[in-house]
Amino acid sequence: SAVISQKPSRDICQRGTSLTIQCQVDSQVTMMFWYRQQPGQSLTLIATANQGSEATYESGFVIDKFPISRPNLTFSTLTVSNMSPEDSSIYLCSADGGPIYNEQFFGPGTRLTVL
Amino acid sequence: AQKITQTQPGMFVQEKEAVTLDCTYDTSDPSYGLFWYKQPSSGEMIFLIYQGSYDQQNATEGRYSLNFQKARKSANLVISASQLGDSAMYFCAMREGFTNAGGTSYGKLTFGQGTILTVHP
Repeated sequence: SAVISQKPSRDICQRGTSLTIQCQVDSQVTMMFWYRQQPGQSLTLIATANQGSEATYESGFVIDKFPISRPNLTFSTLTVSNMSPEDSSIYLCSADGGPIYNEQFFGPGTRLTVL
Repeated sequence: AQKITQTQPGMFVQEKEAVTLDCTYDTSDPSYGLFWYKQPSSGEMIFLIYQGSYDQQNATEGRYSLNFQKARKSANLVISASQLGDSAMYFCAMREGFTNAGGTSYGKLTFGQGTILTVHP
């Protein structure tokens, strides 16, 4: 199974600023994903981070607001730009666990509060 | 239309009893995977169990089992011998798309709304 770490684990930010969240996987993975979980809600996929190409964004999410980098097979970043209080959420990074179970493993999440 | 439906916002169970968390899904893709995750108050997502659409037997992992009824499109999670540490949010999820013999799939994961399980001593 893949072990995923995220930094920061939590942050409190001011409106209008940007925050970059880092996601590190302990093994090479093909697919990495970024999810948002608003308070009391389920997980919503923001985008799929592809190594060597642009990220694929889900409906309702745009690159200008959530730019993503994927420089190699073990690392990705998500930036939340020009933040507003509505961006207060848990942001989770995930990656495919391997060829057998199709499962996705998740990082511990980043709890973001925007004031 | 919702692809994954969890109709129980909250469930209560007595310690050491069994509990079933409901999940129904909707897909026309013959190849899909069904997952259950546990999310404690700390926020991490813990993978519990997986069922592939072509699997003939229900999946089991320790105290967790998945009651897979393909014709009814349901994938209920059964937790036996509940423990206080089982209190958490539980998410059912589905991954559609190509699944080869090695199990590699490239579809995205879609989550249900979740069920909060509370285990009473």
